[in-house]
Amino acid sequence: EVRLVESGGLLVQPGGSLRLSCAASGFTFSSHAMSWVRQAPGKGLEWVSAINGGGIRTFYADSVKGRFTISRDNAKSTLYLQMNSLRVDDTAEYYCARDSNSLLDWWGQGTLVTVSS
Amino acid sequence: EIVMTQSPGTLSLSPGESVTLSCRASQSISSNYLAWYQQKPGQAPRLLIYGAFFRATGIPDRFSGSASGTDYTLIISRLEPEDFAVYYCQQYFSSWTFGPGTKVEIK
Repeated sequence: EVRLVESGGLLVQPGGSLRLSCAASGFTFSSHAMSWVRQAPGKGLEWVSAINGGGIRTFYADSVKGRFTISRDNAKSTLYLQMNSLRVDDTAEYYCARDSNSLLDWWGQGTLVTVSS
Repeated sequence: EIVMTQSPGTLSLSPGESVTLSCRASQSISSNYLAWYQQKPGQAPRLLIYGAFFRATGIPDRFSGSASGTDYTLIISRLEPEDFAVYYCQQYFSSWTFGPGTKVEIK
């Protein structure tokens, strides 16, 4: 069974940094691109970033470009999101999702990032 | 960026009724790279429909999808109590963008 478990969400001050992790199991991790999608409280879904299976190609939403870095460790079946220069409007539940030919078919349960002073 | 719009924002219905949810893309989505997700409070989105028409694994056949040009529809026939949720459409043809969602609530 496919399983994605996010961690690392915390309360952080504006301007701070945080690294999220997503531990994957139940499938061949290196064969799939992966994405991060976020959801601000009471709001809709926003795609944040994606990375290909080999970890070479990365993609970002304009709202996070230059501040967030996506990476992966295929030996550990883990996806990461390094978040720097955090802003209040980055407050959201962050989900990792498996990419199957661009379709986001499996999602983790999310980890909450709160940016507040 | 491809912008997705959904209507209506909220629907109030009773169990057993059928519902049609609408989604429109701002430009053509080649090969119908359109998905529908269901999200319940406190839960992650769950994939319902992909390729505009195809049900994901384990999704009951009361959920169906259709397409006409840049207009997409999710039909839920005979609403069950567990179907009351928010439904999002999403295009995955060019990057990924979501519609604002339609909430299906109990009347």
